[in-house]
Amino acid sequence: AQKVTQAQTEISVVEKEDVTLDCVYETRDTTYYLFWYKQPPSGELVFLIRRNSFDEQNEISGRYSWNFQKSTSSFNFTITASQVVDSAVYFCALSEEADKLIFGTGTRLQVFP
Amino acid sequence: NAGVTQTPKFQVLKTGQSMTLQCAQDMNHEYMSWYRQDPGMGLRLIHYSVGAGITDQGEVPNGYNVSRSTTEDFPLRLLSAAPSQTSVYFCASSSQGARNTIYFGEGSWLTVV
Repeated sequence: AQKVTQAQTEISVVEKEDVTLDCVYETRDTTYYLFWYKQPPSGELVFLIRRNSFDEQNEISGRYSWNFQKSTSSFNFTITASQVVDSAVYFCALSEEADKLIFGTGTRLQVFP
Repeated sequence: NAGVTQTPKFQVLKTGQSMTLQCAQDMNHEYMSWYRQDPGMGLRLIHYSVGAGITDQGEVPNGYNVSRSTTEDFPLRLLSAAPSQTSVYFCASSSQGARNTIYFGEGSWLTVV
């Protein structure tokens, strides 16, 4: 069965700290896709990244980076030098088919000045 | 959120009333879906569609109907609203399902009293 676990319910950091959000997934398929979305206080869902199961390369986009490890079924997200604007709920999601996403329960990140 | 439009943004319903949440996209995407977001539970799939005339159930379909008569529109109907359907509803679309970016609308906040 598909499942996404985000064990960290809430994380608080001070600005400029690095923070890693954990995501562990379960799937029986060899072909699948992993996503991260950001939900700021305004409520919309902002797409951050999509990764397919055949591409284990880590990715960096500015202060954001992602570590995909199939051996541990993890797709962790790191924010370097966090800023107050990073405060949001972050969701990890898994898809095996179509656009059917299985979401984790989210991690609320609070960045204090 | 480019190109996925949801209406209304806010709605209060009385128990037993019916209503339709509208979703439209102008990106000619084949895949469209509806999710609901409840506190502590992430987002859960209600219904999805892989093209005009084709719909299927997701994880939590009870109490909801959908149809896909055109590529652009994917309305979600609540037949007889219940307090348990108080939630935030998100519509999503993509061109190749999870093989491409999945875009979300800005959400519809529904309260059933």
